[in-house]
Amino acid sequence: GDSVTQMEGPVTLSEEAFLTINCTYTATGYPSLFWYVQYPGEGLQLLLKATKADDKGSNKGFEATYRKETTSFHLEKGSVQVSDSAVYFCALKVGTSYGKLTFGQGTILTVHP
Amino acid sequence: GAVVSQHPSWVICKSGTSVKIECRSLDFQATTMFWYRQFPKQSLMLMATSNEGSKATYEQGVEKDKFLINHASLTLSTLTVTSAHPEDSSFYICSASPPGRYTDTQYFGPGTRLTVL
Repeated sequence: GDSVTQMEGPVTLSEEAFLTINCTYTATGYPSLFWYVQYPGEGLQLLLKATKADDKGSNKGFEATYRKETTSFHLEKGSVQVSDSAVYFCALKVGTSYGKLTFGQGTILTVHP
Repeated sequence: GAVVSQHPSWVICKSGTSVKIECRSLDFQATTMFWYRQFPKQSLMLMATSNEGSKATYEQGVEKDKFLINHASLTLSTLTVTSAHPEDSSFYICSASPPGRYTDTQYFGPGTRLTVL
């Protein structure tokens, strides 16, 4: 079946540090890949996505590249801010499964001033 | 942007009682809504897909008679946990998808924390 594995958290960084959150996947078909973010007290929000190999999704300074050869979709940001503190979820959707998202376990990120 | 609300945000109930959770799309019509369950430090698990005007589609292993889903309008889906037991305690999250068969955009509610005593 389909699955997503994220790096264990929590992750604690100082402001302006470089962020990487690893995500690898297994899928029965050709998936679309997503990163969602959940800020405290809010619902999940789509952060970025990529729909085919070598695509790079980007938003708010975050980037992730769809690597089919390594089945990975690692999230990166060059300089994190306190406001980036949140829970980050990697997810996939296989094209034939309408709307069904398979999530990783989430990674808690805390950024200190 | 699109907003999805859930009510209540948390609920505590006694074992054996039923609890209803509402999911509303506030500024768009949602032909499809999804219900997820999240255990502590674990990922979201899709429970069922709710389609307006038709029966919900449940994921394997989810008891449809225990988790009743009703999607009676384009802005409201409800999840009723019947005869709740302590093992049903969890965080329930809904999402709504605007019309469009292959839309990648799901808008998530803030979740409902259910505690069964």
